[in-house]
Amino acid sequence: SAVISQKPSRDICQRGTSLTIQCQVDSQVTMMFWYRQQPGQSLTLIATANQGSEATYESGFVIDKFPISRPNLTFSTLTVSNMSPEDSSIYLCSAKISLEAFFGQGTRLTVV
Amino acid sequence: QKEVEQNSGPLSVPEGAIASLNCTYSDRGSQSFFWYRQYSGKSPELIMSIYSNGDKEDGRFTAQLNKASQYVSLLIRDSQPSDSATYLCAVNSGGSNYKLTFGKGTLLTVNP
Repeated sequence: SAVISQKPSRDICQRGTSLTIQCQVDSQVTMMFWYRQQPGQSLTLIATANQGSEATYESGFVIDKFPISRPNLTFSTLTVSNMSPEDSSIYLCSAKISLEAFFGQGTRLTVV
Repeated sequence: QKEVEQNSGPLSVPEGAIASLNCTYSDRGSQSFFWYRQYSGKSPELIMSIYSNGDKEDGRFTAQLNKASQYVSLLIRDSQPSDSATYLCAVNSGGSNYKLTFGKGTLLTVNP
């Protein structure tokens, strides 16, 4: 497995602002992922972030709203831009180790 | 649209009983299958992975896969109150591109 550290663990933000979530893995990984989990719902993949290439976004998610960086094999960031109350959710970072995926502890975002 | 379906639950079992969680998937080409446990307010934790037809046992947990029926299940023997959580079925529907599709989860409650 892996230790995946995500921060902040929670935040309350004003609408119209942006928040950057950081994800650090304790080993080098090729594939990292960002998910959103809305209250009482399952996980929805936002994008896949591979080091050295642009992130691949899923349908319904765009780079202008959710820019992602992947500067090296252990780190990634997700920015939630121009936030609205609809962006209130839990955001989860994940990393693929061998054939399995592991998750960080999540960021609980509330937009007011 | 690749889909993963789970019993909506909630599933309630007495302590010591066997809990049976079921999952079906739509993409016949899927190759890897996972069960995650998610406690309320926490991130998903990988508990089982299975890649070939048949049973895979790990302690009190047994995963069962039937690719012909596109069905995967998780059995929890000697259920404990600490097993009370939401169990998420995930399927790699992206092949070598590795993309997990999650079911909506089944809430399990183990009653003392």
